[in-house]
Amino acid sequence: AQTVTQSQPEMSVQEAETVTLSCTYDTSESDYYLFWYKQPPSRQMILVIRQEAYKQQNATENRFSVNFQKAAKSFSLKISDSQLGDAAMYFCAYRSVMNYGGSQGNLIFGKGTKLSVKP
Amino acid sequence: DGGITQSPKYLFRKEGQNVTLSCEQNLNHDAMYWYRQDPGQGLRLIYYSQIVNDFQKGDIAEGYSVSREKKESFPLTVTSAQKNPTAFYLCASSLLAGANGELFFGEGSRLTVL
Repeated sequence: AQTVTQSQPEMSVQEAETVTLSCTYDTSESDYYLFWYKQPPSRQMILVIRQEAYKQQNATENRFSVNFQKAAKSFSLKISDSQLGDAAMYFCAYRSVMNYGGSQGNLIFGKGTKLSVKP
Repeated sequence: DGGITQSPKYLFRKEGQNVTLSCEQNLNHDAMYWYRQDPGQGLRLIYYSQIVNDFQKGDIAEGYSVSREKKESFPLTVTSAQKNPTAFYLCASSLLAGANGELFFGEGSRLTVL
């Protein structure tokens, strides 16, 4: 079974600085998706960025980028020029492309990292 | 606007009572999911459904039940058999075949057992 581990329960960053959130995962599959979701105090889950395992190029969305190391099974999120609105819980998630017993589409989540942004 | 609507946002239940959380989507998505969120636990899958009239147990299905009579709707019933039902519940939906894997989430329902 696949697992996702976020080893940093809490992180803090100064406004306008850069912070990196860590995520590792375990799988025997060669093709899959990885995601970072943001959950602000409103509790609404928002997709931040997505990476497809067969793509070597790291995904980027404005100030958010990932460092995808497939061999190391590592998927870290870098937030540049941090803003107060970035303060939230961040969840790393894994999705298989295979359909085991109809499970295609299920996301497996890490336990989250709480990010605080200091003004 | 297209999206997922969960209701109620807040719900209080006495011990021994069943409660039903509503989840409706107008995104024309095939699959729907229920997750439970507890502090420090991340999101854990309760039930999921890929097609009408079919659903599968997730990792923590005991004490819960669902139905999928319509593509748009996937209600979750928290039964009296659920030992620790106080939690935040999130409903999600997604496309399946040919999809890029993204799940879309509702705003959640907070259930408190008194």
